[in-house]
Amino acid sequence: GEDVEQSLFLSVREGDSSVINCTYTDSSSTYLYWYKQEPGAGLQLLTYIFSNMDMKQDQRLTVLLNKKDKHLSLRIADTQTGDSAIYFCAESINDYKLSFGAGTTVTVRA
Amino acid sequence: DAMVIQNPRYQVTQFGKPVTLSCSQTLNHNVMYWYQQKSSQAPKLLFHYYDKDFNNEADTPDNFQSRRPNTSFCFLDIRSPGLGDAAMYLCATSRDLRTGGSEAFFGQGTRLTVV
Repeated sequence: GEDVEQSLFLSVREGDSSVINCTYTDSSSTYLYWYKQEPGAGLQLLTYIFSNMDMKQDQRLTVLLNKKDKHLSLRIADTQTGDSAIYFCAESINDYKLSFGAGTTVTVRA
Repeated sequence: DAMVIQNPRYQVTQFGKPVTLSCSQTLNHNVMYWYQQKSSQAPKLLFHYYDKDFNNEADTPDNFQSRRPNTSFCFLDIRSPGLGDAAMYLCATSRDLRTGGSEAFFGQGTRLTVV
């Protein structure tokens, strides 16, 4: 199985909050990342969190990390249609390698 | 302003015919990566270069090779593409993931079709 797991789909109404969840396996991961991929495009880093932090907030984005449960979440406040994309959780499992989840497709409906 | 540029965006190749995908960067990053991403799957690391040091993932097929002639350019060579090699190929660069959340910058990807 994959080292990083995410639910595959999320549908949210415009203006509501989105919460995307991720679990990972490598307890030695130093950084955990959230990437966004729009159709036909590469991956864009949204935010990352250092493993000794519990929470990081960046404008509409809030990342929560539960290191004990190896659980990471991304909350997007006031979700907009431009937030429709695939969101990938990733962990750095050694110095140079990122291990990605399969991605969560977020669909924002009016 | 694109910092990681992949060419071409779309590539169609014949079964068994060698194909090369290219990636260039303007960031002067030490590390360059090639990922394979199939539909609805996670990007899978094929290999990476730290400067000139090549690092192959254990499960990367021998059919895939890479060259990095200088800091700016990196190539992915598929010697004999099979139908199962059809995918999006993503190039990425980073300074060094050890240095504090140093992000990996991705190109737009090359979508490879094998006919």
